[in-house]
Amino acid sequence: GENVEQHPSTLSVQEGDSAVIKCTYSDSASNYFPWYKQELGKRPQLIIDIRSNVGEKKDQRIAVTLNKTAKHFSLHITETQPEDSAVYFCAAPFTGGGNKLTFGTGTQLKVEL
Amino acid sequence: DAGVIQSPRHEVTEMGQEVTLRCKPISGHNSLFWYRQTMMRGLELLIYFNNNVPIDDSGMPEDRFSAKMPNASFSTLKIQPSEPRDSAVYFCASSSGGSNTGELFFGEGSRLTVL
Repeated sequence: GENVEQHPSTLSVQEGDSAVIKCTYSDSASNYFPWYKQELGKRPQLIIDIRSNVGEKKDQRIAVTLNKTAKHFSLHITETQPEDSAVYFCAAPFTGGGNKLTFGTGTQLKVEL
Repeated sequence: DAGVIQSPRHEVTEMGQEVTLRCKPISGHNSLFWYRQTMMRGLELLIYFNNNVPIDDSGMPEDRFSAKMPNASFSTLKIQPSEPRDSAVYFCASSSGGSNTGELFFGEGSRLTVL
């Protein structure tokens, strides 16, 4: 199946700094890479996604980059704010298994004042 | 739309008891997913349905777990008999195009504690 590795597991930044979370995947045929944010005690929610036909996508302070050759993609959050504190999950589909989504292990981001 | 609705939100039960978790997907969504979340194993896909048909149940831990989707607006995940290691948050999610083509909308989860 798809193997998705996510780093780091925890990340602490000062308010206003940037945060970068990285993921690698194993299925070279994967073509869809979403990122989910989960606040404490809440449900995961999609914040941004990217398809394999582009290398970068931005949405205000959030951006995702994709390197298909290296099979890795990253989440970039600029000008971090306290409300960005949450667990972030990357995911990738396993194309040989009905395209089911495999999630990374999550990154606990803490934005300190 | 009220989003994906799960019940119960919290369940505390004793080992050996049957547990039934329920899910109502977003109207019009044709894919439904059951995930389990624990600190140790993260978010694991247990089973998913397309148009009410189970497509892949390879993530179901063992025969004690079963899931059904009798119609487009209702699904259940049953654990019988339950064990302490089943303690987790169980999320139901739905989407309109499968997990690889668009957004998964998660319910608020059912937190299960098996004593």
